Amino acid sequence: NAGVTQTPKFQVLKTGQSMTLQCAQDMNHEYMSWYRQDPGMGLRLIHYSVGAGITDQGEVPNGYNVSRSTTEDFPLRLLSAAPSQTSVYFCASRAPGSGYNEKLFFGSGTQLSVL
Amino acid sequence: AQKVTQAQTEISVVEKEDVTLDCVYETRDTTYYLFWYKQPPSGELVFLIRRNSFDEQNEISGRYSWNFQKSTSSFNFTITASQVVDSAVYFCALSEGGNTPLVFGKGTRLSVIA
Repeated sequence: NAGVTQTPKFQVLKTGQSMTLQCAQDMNHEYMSWYRQDPGMGLRLIHYSVGAGITDQGEVPNGYNVSRSTTEDFPLRLLSAAPSQTSVYFCASRAPGSGYNEKLFFGSGTQLSVL
Repeated sequence: AQKVTQAQTEISVVEKEDVTLDCVYETRDTTYYLFWYKQPPSGELVFLIRRNSFDEQNEISGRYSWNFQKSTSSFNFTITASQVVDSAVYFCALSEGGNTPLVFGKGTRLSVIA
């Protein structure tokens, strides 16, 4: 199993550009989520999904879109990038049926810079 | 709403010293889970421990130990005889019942100096 795979690892954008951060997992996890990590702010939840076709907002959803058409994939879209979205982004998934008590499996992160 | 507070932003210790990282949480649920994750300089997030709200037993794993006290809403993490390899950012996190997301504290950066 590859676990949680995020692409790309690094990305530089200009203000106003759009892009999609990819996240895929091969563990048949129903729950997937996106966090951003900024210095001194910890990990803040952007969006999450409890299964295909179901998504919900987290703490900092503005400027980001998600969709979940398959169990495996949970892409994060930036429609019009802003410098405030410069951050490290982590995708994470959790095993099915275990609810709140199982650990998250994290991807290796995407470092995004918006100029 | 759930909240996790890690009041220590940065801690610096000399190798072989013991160090305790504090974590205070807030939740209205009686059933919840607490976690600790480690983020070494390489950047990945490494799961360390999960503890449910019904189990207040302290846990020890090698040089690591965790003290869960519901009376003070704390879940503190102690590293005994710290080593340089322990240098990392440590996150405490909380999840409540159902399929709710994991909420993280802001993290504590630990530097262990040789």
